[in-house]
Amino acid sequence: EVQLVESGGGLVQPGGSVRLSCAASGFIYSSYWMHWIRQAPGKGLVWVSDIDSDGSRTRYADSVKSRFTISRDNAKNTLYLQMNGLRVEDTAVYYCVRGLIAVTGLGDYWGQGSLVTVSS
Amino acid sequence: QAVVTQEPSLAVSPGGTITLTCACSTGAVTSAYYPSWFQQKPGQAPRALIYSASDKYSWTPARFSGSLLGGKAALTLSGVQPEDEAEYYCLLSCGGAWVFGGGTKLTVL
Repeated sequence: EVQLVESGGGLVQPGGSVRLSCAASGFIYSSYWMHWIRQAPGKGLVWVSDIDSDGSRTRYADSVKSRFTISRDNAKNTLYLQMNGLRVEDTAVYYCVRGLIAVTGLGDYWGQGSLVTVSS
Repeated sequence: QAVVTQEPSLAVSPGGTITLTCACSTGAVTSAYYPSWFQQKPGQAPRALIYSASDKYSWTPARFSGSLLGGKAALTLSGVQPEDEAEYYCLLSCGGAWVFGGGTKLTVL
Protein backbone atom coordinates (compact mmCIF):
# COMPACT_ATOMS: atom_id res chain seq x y z
CA GLU A 1 0.00 0.00 0.00
CA VAL A 2 1.37 3.39 -1.01
CA GLN A 3 1.78 5.73 1.95
CA LEU A 4 3.04 9.28 2.21
CA VAL A 5 3.33 10.65 5.73
CA GLU A 6 4.29 14.28 6.29
CA SER A 7 5.76 15.66 9.49
CA GLY A 8 7.46 18.79 10.77
CA GLY A 9 4.69 21.36 10.59
CA GLY A 10 3.67 23.70 13.36
CA LEU A 11 3.63 27.30 14.46
CA VAL A 12 6.52 29.49 13.35
CA GLN A 13 7.14 33.23 13.51
CA PRO A 14 7.42 35.37 10.39
CA GLY A 15 10.96 35.20 9.07
CA GLY A 16 11.49 31.81 10.66
CA SER A 17 12.30 28.41 9.20
CA VAL A 18 10.71 24.98 9.13
CA ARG A 19 11.69 21.69 7.50
CA LEU A 20 8.93 19.38 6.39
CA SER A 21 9.58 15.69 5.85
CA CYS A 22 7.58 13.12 3.95
CA ALA A 23 8.18 9.43 4.58
CA ALA A 24 7.26 7.29 1.58
CA SER A 25 6.50 3.58 1.59
CA GLY A 26 4.80 0.93 -0.49
CA PHE A 27 6.47 1.80 -3.80
CA ILE A 28 9.91 2.18 -5.38
CA TYR A 29 10.47 5.73 -4.17
CA SER A 30 13.66 6.29 -6.14
CA SER A 31 11.78 5.88 -9.44
CA TYR A 32 9.33 8.73 -8.96
CA TRP A 33 9.29 12.50 -9.22
CA MET A 34 7.89 14.00 -6.04
CA HIS A 35 6.01 17.24 -5.39
CA TRP A 36 4.93 19.59 -2.64
CA ILE A 37 1.52 21.21 -2.97
CA ARG A 38 -0.03 23.59 -0.46
CA GLN A 39 -3.47 24.82 0.44
CA ALA A 40 -4.10 27.89 2.56
CA PRO A 41 -7.12 27.69 4.88
CA GLY A 42 -10.30 27.92 2.83
CA LYS A 43 -8.36 28.45 -0.40
CA GLY A 44 -7.35 26.44 -3.45
CA LEU A 45 -4.46 24.16 -4.24
CA VAL A 46 -1.10 25.64 -5.18
CA TRP A 47 1.80 23.69 -6.64
CA VAL A 48 4.97 24.60 -4.71
CA SER A 49 7.89 22.55 -5.95
CA ASP A 50 9.01 19.31 -7.54
CA ILE A 51 12.12 17.16 -7.75
CA ASP A 52 13.11 14.45 -10.19
CA SER A 53 13.73 10.87 -9.22
CA ASP A 54 17.44 11.21 -8.43
CA GLY A 55 17.28 14.73 -7.01
CA SER A 56 19.26 16.38 -9.79
CA ARG A 57 16.45 18.65 -11.04
CA THR A 58 14.23 20.89 -9.01
CA ARG A 59 11.59 23.51 -9.83
CA TYR A 60 9.73 26.05 -7.75
CA ALA A 61 6.72 28.29 -7.92
CA ASP A 62 7.70 31.94 -8.23
CA SER A 63 6.14 32.67 -4.83
CA VAL A 64 8.65 30.46 -2.99
CA LYS A 65 11.72 30.60 -5.24
CA SER A 66 14.91 31.42 -3.31
CA ARG A 67 13.16 30.81 0.04
CA PHE A 68 12.21 27.13 -0.17
CA THR A 69 14.43 24.16 -1.03
CA ILE A 70 13.17 20.73 -1.99
CA SER A 71 15.41 17.70 -1.55
CA ARG A 72 15.19 13.95 -1.17
CA ASP A 73 17.08 11.05 0.38
CA ASN A 74 16.42 7.94 -1.70
CA ALA A 75 18.22 5.74 0.83
CA LYS A 76 15.71 6.83 3.47
CA ASN A 77 12.68 7.07 1.15
CA THR A 78 12.13 10.60 2.38
CA LEU A 79 11.25 13.92 0.75
CA TYR A 80 12.03 17.25 2.36
CA LEU A 81 10.98 20.87 2.05
CA GLN A 82 13.20 23.41 3.77
CA MET A 83 11.23 26.62 4.20
CA ASN A 84 13.14 29.78 5.10
CA GLY A 85 12.08 33.40 5.37
CA LEU A 86 8.53 32.35 6.10
CA ARG A 87 5.71 34.83 5.59
CA VAL A 88 2.18 34.95 6.95
CA GLU A 89 0.95 34.07 3.46
CA ASP A 90 2.88 30.77 3.57
CA THR A 91 0.37 29.52 6.16
CA ALA A 92 -1.11 26.38 4.63
CA VAL A 93 -1.48 22.65 4.71
CA TYR A 94 1.48 21.23 2.81
CA TYR A 95 0.87 17.99 0.92
CA CYS A 96 3.53 15.56 -0.23
CA VAL A 97 2.41 14.20 -3.61
CA ARG A 98 3.73 11.48 -5.87
CA GLY A 99 4.41 12.05 -9.55
CA LEU A 100 3.10 9.63 -12.14
CA ILE A 101 5.32 6.96 -13.68
CA ALA A 102 5.74 6.61 -17.45
CA VAL A 103 3.53 9.64 -18.12
CA THR A 104 3.86 13.32 -17.28
CA GLY A 105 1.66 14.22 -14.37
CA LEU A 106 1.25 13.99 -10.65
CA GLY A 107 -1.14 13.32 -7.85
CA ASP A 108 -2.15 9.68 -7.84
CA TYR A 109 -1.17 9.56 -4.18
CA TRP A 110 -1.25 12.34 -1.58
CA GLY A 111 -0.17 12.50 2.02
CA GLN A 112 -2.58 13.63 4.72
CA GLY A 113 -0.92 17.05 4.86
CA SER A 114 1.08 18.98 7.42
CA LEU A 115 -0.14 22.36 8.66
CA VAL A 116 2.36 25.19 8.81
CA THR A 117 1.12 28.32 10.56
CA VAL A 118 3.18 31.48 10.25
CA SER A 119 2.15 33.97 12.88
CA SER A 120 3.62 36.20 15.57
CA GLN B 1 3.62 32.34 -13.85
CA ALA B 2 0.62 31.41 -15.98
CA VAL B 3 -2.93 31.70 -14.67
CA VAL B 4 -5.35 28.77 -14.93
CA THR B 5 -9.03 29.65 -14.90
CA GLN B 6 -12.02 27.55 -13.88
CA GLU B 7 -15.67 28.38 -13.29
CA PRO B 8 -15.92 29.39 -9.60
CA SER B 9 -19.17 27.53 -9.07
CA LEU B 10 -21.67 25.38 -10.90
CA ALA B 11 -24.88 23.62 -9.95
CA VAL B 12 -26.49 20.48 -11.33
CA SER B 13 -29.45 18.29 -10.52
CA PRO B 14 -28.99 14.64 -9.59
CA GLY B 15 -28.87 12.51 -12.72
CA GLY B 16 -27.89 15.48 -14.86
CA THR B 17 -24.79 16.16 -16.90
CA ILE B 18 -22.36 19.01 -16.41
CA THR B 19 -19.05 20.09 -17.90
CA LEU B 20 -16.33 21.95 -16.01
CA THR B 21 -13.64 23.73 -18.00
CA CYS B 22 -10.04 24.80 -17.48
CA ALA B 23 -8.20 27.46 -19.47
CA CYS B 24 -4.59 28.66 -19.43
CA SER B 25 -3.51 32.28 -19.88
CA THR B 26 -0.68 31.20 -22.19
CA GLY B 27 -3.07 29.96 -24.88
CA ALA B 28 -5.21 27.05 -26.00
CA VAL B 29 -4.87 23.98 -23.83
CA THR B 30 -3.53 20.96 -25.68
CA SER B 31 -2.39 17.51 -24.65
CA ALA B 32 1.06 19.02 -24.11
CA TYR B 33 -0.36 20.76 -21.05
CA TYR B 34 -0.99 17.30 -19.51
CA PRO B 35 -4.36 18.26 -18.00
CA SER B 36 -5.35 16.56 -14.78
CA TRP B 37 -8.46 16.79 -12.63
CA PHE B 38 -8.87 16.35 -8.88
CA GLN B 39 -11.83 16.15 -6.55
CA GLN B 40 -11.68 17.47 -3.00
CA LYS B 41 -14.29 17.13 -0.31
CA PRO B 42 -14.20 19.14 2.94
CA GLY B 43 -11.55 17.98 5.37
CA GLN B 44 -10.00 15.53 2.91
CA ALA B 45 -6.92 15.48 0.74
CA PRO B 46 -7.61 15.79 -2.99
CA ARG B 47 -8.31 12.66 -4.99
CA ALA B 48 -7.09 12.25 -8.56
CA LEU B 49 -9.72 11.61 -11.23
CA ILE B 50 -8.16 12.22 -14.67
CA TYR B 51 -4.64 12.54 -16.09
CA SER B 52 -3.28 13.25 -19.57
CA ALA B 53 -6.56 15.03 -20.45
CA SER B 54 -8.73 11.92 -20.67
CA ASP B 55 -7.11 8.94 -18.95
CA LYS B 56 -8.80 7.57 -15.85
CA TYR B 57 -7.38 5.94 -12.75
CA SER B 58 -8.59 2.54 -11.66
CA TRP B 59 -10.73 4.20 -9.00
CA THR B 60 -12.30 6.86 -11.22
CA PRO B 61 -16.07 6.33 -11.55
CA ALA B 62 -17.21 5.75 -15.13
CA ARG B 63 -19.46 8.84 -15.00
CA PHE B 64 -16.38 11.09 -14.99
CA SER B 65 -14.66 11.80 -18.30
CA GLY B 66 -12.00 14.23 -19.45
CA SER B 67 -11.46 15.87 -22.82
CA LEU B 68 -10.09 18.84 -24.71
CA LEU B 69 -12.87 21.16 -25.80
CA GLY B 70 -12.61 24.46 -27.63
CA GLY B 71 -9.08 25.22 -26.46
CA LYS B 72 -9.76 24.21 -22.86
CA ALA B 73 -9.50 21.08 -20.78
CA ALA B 74 -12.89 19.77 -19.74
CA LEU B 75 -14.28 17.42 -17.10
CA THR B 76 -17.74 16.03 -17.77
CA LEU B 77 -19.89 14.33 -15.17
CA SER B 78 -22.74 12.28 -16.64
CA GLY B 79 -25.46 11.02 -14.35
CA VAL B 80 -24.37 13.16 -11.41
CA GLN B 81 -24.73 11.61 -7.97
CA PRO B 82 -25.24 13.50 -4.68
CA GLU B 83 -21.79 12.36 -3.54
CA ASP B 84 -20.26 14.26 -6.45
CA GLU B 85 -20.81 17.53 -4.61
CA ALA B 86 -17.27 18.76 -4.05
CA GLU B 87 -14.57 21.16 -5.18
CA TYR B 88 -12.91 20.23 -8.46
CA TYR B 89 -9.44 21.41 -9.44
CA CYS B 90 -7.70 21.18 -12.76
CA LEU B 91 -3.92 21.11 -13.09
CA LEU B 92 -1.94 22.11 -16.15
CA SER B 93 1.68 22.22 -17.12
CA CYS B 94 1.83 25.69 -18.58
CA GLY B 95 4.56 28.29 -18.60
CA GLY B 96 7.16 25.75 -17.49
CA ALA B 97 5.57 24.85 -14.17
CA TRP B 98 2.56 23.09 -12.80
CA VAL B 99 -0.37 25.41 -12.16
CA PHE B 100 -3.69 24.64 -10.52
CA GLY B 101 -6.90 26.35 -11.41
CA GLY B 102 -8.78 28.15 -8.68
CA GLY B 103 -11.30 25.34 -8.35
CA THR B 104 -14.96 24.85 -9.21
CA LYS B 105 -17.41 24.30 -6.38
CA LEU B 106 -19.98 21.86 -7.72
CA THR B 107 -23.33 21.84 -5.97
CA VAL B 108 -25.75 18.98 -6.53
CA LEU B 109 -29.19 20.46 -5.97
